Amino acid sequence: GQQLNQSPQSMFIQEGEDVSMNCTSSSIFNTWLWYKQDPGEGPVLLIALYKAGELTSNGRLTAQFGITRKDSFLNISASIPSDVGIYFCAGQPSGTYKYIFGTGTRLKVLA
Amino acid sequence: SQTIHQWPATLVQPVGSPLSLECTVEGTSNPNLYWYRQAAGRGLQLLFYSVGIGQISSEVPQNLSASRPQDRQFILSSKKLLLSDSGFYLCAWNPAGAVEQYFGPGTRLTVT
Repeated sequence: GQQLNQSPQSMFIQEGEDVSMNCTSSSIFNTWLWYKQDPGEGPVLLIALYKAGELTSNGRLTAQFGITRKDSFLNISASIPSDVGIYFCAGQPSGTYKYIFGTGTRLKVLA
Repeated sequence: SQTIHQWPATLVQPVGSPLSLECTVEGTSNPNLYWYRQAAGRGLQLLFYSVGIGQISSEVPQNLSASRPQDRQFILSSKKLLLSDSGFYLCAWNPAGAVEQYFGPGTRLTVT
């Protein structure tokens, strides 16, 4: 099935550092969602973005809906060990009930 | 508040056996429902979605099927499992008219 291009694929960072990841698509999306998944569990919704250019924060997390509607970015500030996990983006194409998921960014935080 | 349940949590089945995974949502009406499969270390693959009772859209041709016998119940089935059906199966829902999608705890299926 179709998937979004998400990068980086994985990253190791030091505790306290900021983290950035992004998703790009060849298609226009009406909605972007960002999730975090811990091992053996279902993804948990972090942030939802509804319109192009939107910048939304949730605690130390900030996400942006790209102006072109073909990309989105997630930033995590001052990372802590519990930020470890896999982060997924998801986009909803116009006129559909489907969600297309990114390939995931595996984050590992070194204390 | 809304809650999503999936069972069983884990399942080990032999090749060729049937499968039935169940998902139910509480605290909402007329949700959109979804089945995804996640292979180990991989992303989420949409299998089926439903926007109403008896309405099923299939995304991937395979030996799986889905049914929605009640408004808040979504079932994933197979008549004969293949080794390649192993994976982590996730049910998800979103409120009708909303875009936020929420996931259940998942079912780990191992086909031996």
